[in-house]
Amino acid sequence: GEDVEQSLFLSVREGDSSVINCTYTDSSSTYLYWYKQEPGAGLQLLTYIFSNMDMKQDQRLTVLLNKKDKHLSLRIADTQTGDSAIYFCAESILDNAGNMLTFGGGTRLMVKP
Amino acid sequence: DSGVTQTPKHLITATGQRVTLRCSPRSGDLSVYWYQQSLDQGLQFLIHYYNGEERAKGNILERFSAQQFPDLHSELNLSSLELGDSALYFCASSPGGATQETQYFGPGTRLLVL
Repeated sequence: GEDVEQSLFLSVREGDSSVINCTYTDSSSTYLYWYKQEPGAGLQLLTYIFSNMDMKQDQRLTVLLNKKDKHLSLRIADTQTGDSAIYFCAESILDNAGNMLTFGGGTRLMVKP
Repeated sequence: DSGVTQTPKHLITATGQRVTLRCSPRSGDLSVYWYQQSLDQGLQFLIHYYNGEERAKGNILERFSAQQFPDLHSELNLSSLELGDSALYFCASSPGGATQETQYFGPGTRLLVL
C-alpha cells in the first residue's frame, strides 16, 4: 500500500536553511506536493514536482526528487520566523476511478530568532 | 485564499448526533475531495466527487456520506457521531478529476464531538 513518511520535528535558526525530508512508497506517483499548515489554518499549497523532474526551484523553495530512492526534500533558504508551521508532503495516487492525495504525518518546523 | 470555502468553521455537537459540512469549490472546478485530519490518524482521504458523481473512496466510515450537487458544491454528512470523529475536515477542489491535478484546500471545519 501507499505510505508517506516524514520526520516529526525540525528546529532551525532564523536565516539558516531548512531541509525537510520525505519518503514515499508508490512508484506510480506522478506528482509530489508540499503543503504548509499554520496553526489553526488550512493547507496551503507551497509547490509540487512532476515525477520526471529532479529539481524544482521557486524563490526560497527548492524541491529535490530522488526517484530511485523515493525520496523528496524541501529546502527553504533564509528561513524566517514566519516559516514556522507544519509541512506536509503528499503523493498523488491516480487509481482507476479517481485522484487522491496520500499525506505524510507532517514535519513541524520551528524557527528560532 | 484558495477560493475554496467551507462552512461552518467550527461545530460542537454531542455523540449520536448528525451534522452536515458544506464545501464550495473554486469557480470552475468540477472535482471536490474530502479529507479528515485527526491527531491519531493524520490527514486521510475520504472521498472524491467529480461533476456530481462519486469517483473514489478512501477511509470513509459507513456512518459518513457525501454528495455533490448540480451547482458543484458538496456536503459531507456525518451521523451517529462518536468522540473519535472529532477532527478537522478539509475540502479541496481541482478543475477536472480524471488526472493528477493540483488540489486546492479550503480552511477546514473543526468538529468537536462531546
